[in-house]
Amino acid sequence: QKEVEQDPGPLSVPEGAIVSLNCTYSNSAFQYFMWYRQYSRKGPELLMYTYSSGNKEDGRFTAQVDKSSKYISLFIRDSQPSDSATYLCAMSLNSGGSNYKLTFGKGTLLTVNP
Amino acid sequence: KAGVTQTPRYLIKTRGQQVTLSCSPISGHRSVSWYQQTPGQGLQFLFEYFSETQRNKGNFPGRFSGRQFSNSRSEMNVSTLELGDSALYLCASSNEGEQYFGPGTRLTVT
Repeated sequence: QKEVEQDPGPLSVPEGAIVSLNCTYSNSAFQYFMWYRQYSRKGPELLMYTYSSGNKEDGRFTAQVDKSSKYISLFIRDSQPSDSATYLCAMSLNSGGSNYKLTFGKGTLLTVNP
Repeated sequence: KAGVTQTPRYLIKTRGQQVTLSCSPISGHRSVSWYQQTPGQGLQFLFEYFSETQRNKGNFPGRFSGRQFSNSRSEMNVSTLELGDSALYLCASSNEGEQYFGPGTRLTVT
């Protein structure tokens, strides 16, 4: 079993739809959770960074972490064609120090159709 | 503030050769991490440097090495290149928290 599982999609939605992206993980020691957006031939761009369980909202994006279920989600409201990209979840045990590294899901390819 | 920069952006090498990639972190960031991204394996952690010391290493063979300089700039080296080393190599910098990625170096091994 991989440490982080993410449905690769592809996911295709109409403009204006609410998009739900999800990851599950097996290591209960993960404490920090991130979502990155990666456009084709570009580096990943940090969208959301959260610590432990709970919700965090930033504009049209909401990140949810449920540590009891080992499940994280990213919701995109009023999706736009410019949101078309690969979305990567990532997590880490700590925010620095020894053993500081990100473990990624494989990414979900999202297309938002005008 | 300038972002993470990586050079070169594209590289074509032949099997058996060696290659050096460079990364300049965001000003003030002391931690630099390297990742390999392939369609099959996704993003995989290579190693992380902090204040010129390797703090953490992923599960890659010894052909993959790196170093960090006193100005926090980092290089990674791959010796005896194999076809399977073809990938996007990404560098990320952080100040003990969020990691910010550069655009990557796309390496093709023929």
